[in-house]
Amino acid sequence: EDQVTQSPEALRLQEGESSSLNCSYTVSGLRGLFWYRQDPGKGPEFLFTLYSAGEEKEKERLKATLTKKESFLHITAPKPEDSATYLCAVLPRRNTGKLIFGQGTTLQVKP
Amino acid sequence: NAGVTQTPKFQVLKTGQSMTLQCAQDMNHEYMSWYRQDPGMGLRLIHYSVGAGITDQGEVPNGYNVSRSTTEDFPLRLLSAAPSQTSVYFCASSSTRGAGANVLTFGAGSRLTVL
Repeated sequence: EDQVTQSPEALRLQEGESSSLNCSYTVSGLRGLFWYRQDPGKGPEFLFTLYSAGEEKEKERLKATLTKKESFLHITAPKPEDSATYLCAVLPRRNTGKLIFGQGTTLQVKP
Repeated sequence: NAGVTQTPKFQVLKTGQSMTLQCAQDMNHEYMSWYRQDPGMGLRLIHYSVGAGITDQGEVPNGYNVSRSTTEDFPLRLLSAAPSQTSVYFCASSSTRGAGANVLTFGAGSRLTVL
């Protein structure tokens, strides 16, 4: 069964304290792995797509990496405005149209 | 460019009532989908469509109906509302081709409470 697990569920950081969020996945053939950011009361917003092991993408203080079993979202020197829930999703190769989401990691960055 | 528009934003229903959540996109996306989001459960796929006239079930389809008569619209119908359908519902769309393939654009959400 295709599955996505994110850890930790919640993370509190001080401003400037770097850390990483984890997304572990089990899927029979990966078409793509996606990271989204969700602010309270809003819909998720797209951050990155990763397609193959070894691939990396960066945007401001965020960097996403991918292995054959998991993805990491590294946050370098976070700011309070980085506080949000970060969602990971996988698109299996055999189930076009059925994106599978993890439960999310809620990040709080304190000034 | 409005993106994905959902209405209503909030709705309170009584058990057994029916209603339709509306979703419209103006990006000419082939793919449209409905998710529900519950605390601790993440986003779960209800129904999806890869084009006008084509729909398919997701992970949690029971109690919901969809249709896709146009590329732009993808309404979600609750046939007989139950308290277990209290949730936040998100509509999302994406292109199926090119650089943006499979990258979902989400609406702002519709918060439904069933009493």
